[in-house]
Amino acid sequence: NAGVTQTPKFRILKIGQSMTLQCAQDMNHNYMYWYRQDPGMGLKLIYYSVGAGITDKGEVPNGYNVSRSTTEDFPLRLELAAPSQTSVYFCASSHGRTNTGELFFGEGSRLTVL
Amino acid sequence: DAKTTQPPSMDCAEGRAANLPCNHSTISGNEYVYWYRQIHSQGPQYIIHGLKNNETNEMASLIITEDRKSSTLILPHATLRDTAVYYCIVRVVGWNTDKLIFGTGTRLQVFP
Repeated sequence: NAGVTQTPKFRILKIGQSMTLQCAQDMNHNYMYWYRQDPGMGLKLIYYSVGAGITDKGEVPNGYNVSRSTTEDFPLRLELAAPSQTSVYFCASSHGRTNTGELFFGEGSRLTVL
Repeated sequence: DAKTTQPPSMDCAEGRAANLPCNHSTISGNEYVYWYRQIHSQGPQYIIHGLKNNETNEMASLIITEDRKSSTLILPHATLRDTAVYYCIVRVVGWNTDKLIFGTGTRLQVFP
């Protein structure tokens, strides 16, 4: 199993551009999450999904959109990128509430908006 | 959502026990306490979790007070590789809701 795979690992965007961060997991996990981590700070939850077709906002959803059309994939869309979105983005997945709830994280995607 | 409070940093001598405290005074009865750690800029790594009882695994022990308002993560014999940021988290579960809200964490420095 590859676990949680994020692409790209690094990206530089210009203000106003759009892009999609990809996240895929091959563990048949129901739950998936997107977090962002600003330098020297903890992780903030952006969006999460408890199953295909179901998504919900986290702590900091503004400026982002998500979709969950399959169990495996949970892309994060940035519309009109702003310097405040410069951050490291982590995708995570878990079995769900019937198991331990342990989150499995990807390696992160480092985004810089100039 | 329950919040957690942790000291920003701690030091520990190699080979000694590291005791990391966490306050979660607004925790609800069905909310679990989780501990994760993050080494450098890697994705956070699961350590342990618990609800009411104390828990132990190969990495650490978790002590939860009887009123569940606070907990302590214990690394029994800290090594240099345990230097990391440790996050105490309350898992929020509800109808179609299941999320971990991270706090700011404790930066543990293990020194020789």
